Amino acid sequence: EPEVTQTPSHQVTQMGQEVILRCVPISNHLYFYWYRQILGQKVEFLVSFYNNEISEKSEIFDDQFSVERPDGSNFTLKIRSTKLEDSAMYFCARSGGDDQPQHFGDGTRLSIL
Amino acid sequence: QKEVEQNSGPLSVPEGAIASLNCTYSDRGSQSFFWYRQYSGKSPELIMFIYSNGDKEDGRFTAQLNKASQYVSLLIRDSQPSDSATYLCAVNGGAGSYQLTFGKGTKLSVIP
Repeated sequence: EPEVTQTPSHQVTQMGQEVILRCVPISNHLYFYWYRQILGQKVEFLVSFYNNEISEKSEIFDDQFSVERPDGSNFTLKIRSTKLEDSAMYFCARSGGDDQPQHFGDGTRLSIL
Repeated sequence: QKEVEQNSGPLSVPEGAIASLNCTYSDRGSQSFFWYRQYSGKSPELIMFIYSNGDKEDGRFTAQLNKASQYVSLLIRDSQPSDSATYLCAVNGGAGSYQLTFGKGTKLSVIP
């Protein structure tokens, strides 16, 4: 059983539209991460989030992306003005501490048409 | 640019044999090392983690770390067909950076 629940499992969106991917922790954790994996490629770090603030972000995480924890529970990744190359699996992960193992959710498959 | 290198495989071993998976990393400051298993179309599942030089055993799995050589390995004893998957090596950034850098993974096939 995953330690975070991700919704939706599959999202199909027209290019240029905005998408919001959601991650719900099973228990109360402070450290969250978003990664993506383009089909056939390696898992890539996007952003880490600690205590309701971004702690690290990669070069991929540009102005098109944002994260927030709007209600203190759900953790969301917003992608504005989606592009074809945003098509990928997006994984949310959580850890019990900044150097602790990260556990991944089942992922959201994002398909941009 | 931090790099994690793995042989993409496929690595084929007969059932019951030992599978040996290897990984090298470029950042000497890396402090934590992880092995994930990923079945096709699924998310990465944590198998092992290791922080110190030497061996760490958990059931059929042994992780080995050599920081001087910047080398991490995973041994799977008594390999089973259900072990057939892609194994991902991941390394944290060190120096206060906890993002994981992943290798491309090694595809393992265990032949019954």
